[in-house]
Amino acid sequence: SQTIHQWPATLVQPVGSPLSLECTVEGTSNPNLYWYRQAAGRGLQLLFYSVGIGQISSEVPQNLSASRPQDRQFILSSKKLLLSDSGFYLCAWSVRYPPREQYFGPGTRLTVT
Amino acid sequence: AQKITQTQPGMFVQEKEAVTLDCTYDTSDPSYGLFWYKQPSSGEMIFLIYQGSYDQQNATEGRYSLNFQKARKSANLVISASQLGDSAMYFCAMRETNTGNQFYFGTGTSLTVIP
Repeated sequence: SQTIHQWPATLVQPVGSPLSLECTVEGTSNPNLYWYRQAAGRGLQLLFYSVGIGQISSEVPQNLSASRPQDRQFILSSKKLLLSDSGFYLCAWSVRYPPREQYFGPGTRLTVT
Repeated sequence: AQKITQTQPGMFVQEKEAVTLDCTYDTSDPSYGLFWYKQPSSGEMIFLIYQGSYDQQNATEGRYSLNFQKARKSANLVISASQLGDSAMYFCAMRETNTGNQFYFGTGTSLTVIP
């Protein structure tokens, strides 16, 4: 069966510090991978998605970047965090085809102070 | 235009009663998938149910069913025999075959089950 891991679960970082969130998927090959952000009490905002190693699509101009160094690894980064980067970050995966559901990791709660 | 619209920010239902959460969608792609997710206060996003655009019958998964009305472009979630553990945020989502990679989410409905 497939599983998706995210770490860390919670993170408190000062403004201006770097960020690295990691997501890995097990039990599947060639997945689509996604990063979402969710502000408190709000919906999901798609940040990045990837259909393969080194292939990243950015949905929203951000202070953030993403990389996919391996097939089942997706990393969300920032060089300098802003207060507005606080939120709940969710990683997800789906199969390429057919267009079925995506599955989410447990999420990372990021607080920028 | 919004791809997914959920017009009910909050809903209340008595325990053991049924509740319908509304979702409408907008697409010109003849092939697409519709999904519902549950997000409890812990934050995890739990996949509940899937409906394909060519499926003839409404999807069901246990106490969850999807009332799919293609002509109206609606995909309402029906939860039967509500339980206290059903209290959560519920998100409707869509994935189009032609774009394939993006999922479009609604703004969510907060459901509270009253004992």
